[in-house]
This record gives sequence, structure tokens and C-alpha cells, in this order.
Amino acid sequence: DAGITQSPRHKVTETGTPVTLRCHQTENHRYMYWYRQDPGHGLRLIHYSYGVKDTDKGEVSDGYSVSRSKTEDFLLTLESATSSQTSVYFCAISAMSAGYTFGSGTRLTVV
Amino acid sequence: QQQVKQSPQSLIVQKGGIPIINCAYENTAFDYFPWYQQFPGKGPALLIAIRPDVSEKKEGRFTISFNKSAKQFSLHIMDSQPGDSATYFCAAMRTGANNLFFGTGTRLTVIP
Repeated sequence: DAGITQSPRHKVTETGTPVTLRCHQTENHRYMYWYRQDPGHGLRLIHYSYGVKDTDKGEVSDGYSVSRSKTEDFLLTLESATSSQTSVYFCAISAMSAGYTFGSGTRLTVV
Repeated sequence: QQQVKQSPQSLIVQKGGIPIINCAYENTAFDYFPWYQQFPGKGPALLIAIRPDVSEKKEGRFTISFNKSAKQFSLHIMDSQPGDSATYFCAAMRTGANNLFFGTGTRLTVIP
């Protein structure tokens, strides 16, 4: 998706290990979001950022932390991965708090 | 609990048919209602959106109908094509709130 890149695209990790997912944007948008997508739940907000070093929790933030040291990068860290965090993670950006553009996602498997 | 309820979970129509996907919400503070289309292996992409000051919005073959009093909105796809086969998500938010709430998705299959 133009302007937003997620890495890695796929990752398998072991229970209890820390994992960091990266979202990079070239649009200079103020707002960045991390969602997880699970069958039967749609997409649910984990954390979001409204500026450099400005972040807040979403509805499913337990077990996750985020950091935004530059406008273009928003990192999601699973502090100690659990099997319940096996999911597809999507980053999104927006210039205002509407009209989200999503990345292509990271498929994370915790074994 | 689910802020936006979406139905059906899956839908199969013949080419040229008009699939209809329905969504309902409870929070009357919501004032922005987008629909997203997602193909396998891709992120959701904004398809069309509506605000509650209008009852209908059309963009090409896609139409949103909005019923403010019933707190319901729906997506109609006119003259559906096999290329429309995808998962569709409705969503809702209050402008300025920074949380876009999604429905659970509808997997649409259009048979040639």
C-alpha cells in the first residue's frame, strides 16, 4: 500500500519472547494506529499515536507497548509473546482522525 | 462488547446480483461510517463513507444507505462482479475520537 510499509510480513516466535513490529510511513501523517485482526472480531485497536512521543491505549492494549520517536515510524512491541497474540497486525495512518489508510499487515504466529 | 454489529457473516451471489450487507450501532455519538474492502493478504482499503446528515451516498456501483433513527446502515453493490469477491467491513467512529470501531466482516463471493 502506497506510503505505508509494515515489517516483517510474517513472523513465527516462541512463547515468552519479545517481538517488535515496525510501521513506516512516507506520508507525514500525524496519526498512526496499530490494530489486530482476528476471525469473529474484525479489527480491534491496540494503541495509537497522535504525534512524536504521544501515544495512547486502545481497546485491547494489555501485553503490548508502542513507541514513536519519529513521525514516520511507529513500533509495536509484544513484551512477552503469548499464543493469544497470534494474529494479523495492521498499521494504519491518517492525516486527521478519519480516512484511515492501512498497511498490508504482519502475520504473527506464537508457538 | 461489539460496538458495531455486522451481518451476514458470509454471502454468495450470482454475477449481476445486488448483495446487501447490514450494520447496526448503539453509540449515538458516532458521526462517521466508512466501509472497507479487504482482499486476501492485503490490508483493508476505504471503499466509501457516509456522515449522518445524508440518508444515501453512491460511488460507482457502491451505495450506502443510512437510517439515523434506527441506527443502521447498509452497503449495496449494484451489478456485482467476480472481482468484488472480498471481505467487507463496516466501521463507525466519533470524529476526533481516534478509535474506529469495526464490524466483524462479511465474506462476499460473486459467482460468475
